[in-house]
Amino acid sequence: KQEVTQIPAALSVPEGENLVLNCSFTDSAIYNLQWFRQDPGKGLTSLLLIQSSQREQTSGRLNASLDKSSGRSTLYIAASQPGDSATYLCAVVSGGYQKVTFGTGTKLQVIP
Amino acid sequence: EAQVTQNPRYLITVTGKKLTVTCSQNMNHEYMSWYRQDPGLGLRQIYYSMNVEVTDKGDVPEGYKVSRKEKRNFPLILESPSPNQTSLYFCASSRNYAGMSSGYTFGSGTRLTVV
Repeated sequence: KQEVTQIPAALSVPEGENLVLNCSFTDSAIYNLQWFRQDPGKGLTSLLLIQSSQREQTSGRLNASLDKSSGRSTLYIAASQPGDSATYLCAVVSGGYQKVTFGTGTKLQVIP
Repeated sequence: EAQVTQNPRYLITVTGKKLTVTCSQNMNHEYMSWYRQDPGLGLRQIYYSMNVEVTDKGDVPEGYKVSRKEKRNFPLILESPSPNQTSLYFCASSRNYAGMSSGYTFGSGTRLTVV
């Protein structure tokens, strides 16, 4: 059974810092991995989608990497801003039935 | 605008009173899914649908029903709600099965309280 872990559960950084969020998964046979952002009481907004054949994806200040063999993905946020404060979740699609499994998220606070 | 629309956003109901949460997408997506989100447990899949008239159970289907009579709609039905179904519910859709090529689009959520 696929398990997805995100550490730390919460992170507080001063504005302007570069930071890395981690996502690890137990079954390396994944189809893709997606990073989401969730604002309090709101839905999930897709940030980046990495297919299993890719090593990384970039969008603006965000860069996501994928290392299937070690069961890890990282989300790098450059020059963090208070507007980046949110919960970040990763989700993997894996298994014969192509099931989606979510991590429990990292709550990020960027302090002005 | 491409979106997934859920209604209602907030709902308070009493134990045992049947309710339906609607979900509609305007992107002609084949795959739709329902999740519930609880503190410390993350997002757990309730039911999913690969296409019209094709539905299957997720991880936590007990106490829920779904139907997919049209491609755009995927309602979640609670026949006899109980307090342990108090949660934040999300509907999601993707172009194809499990978001393999294009990823997921989520609705804004429905906060359900059962008293």
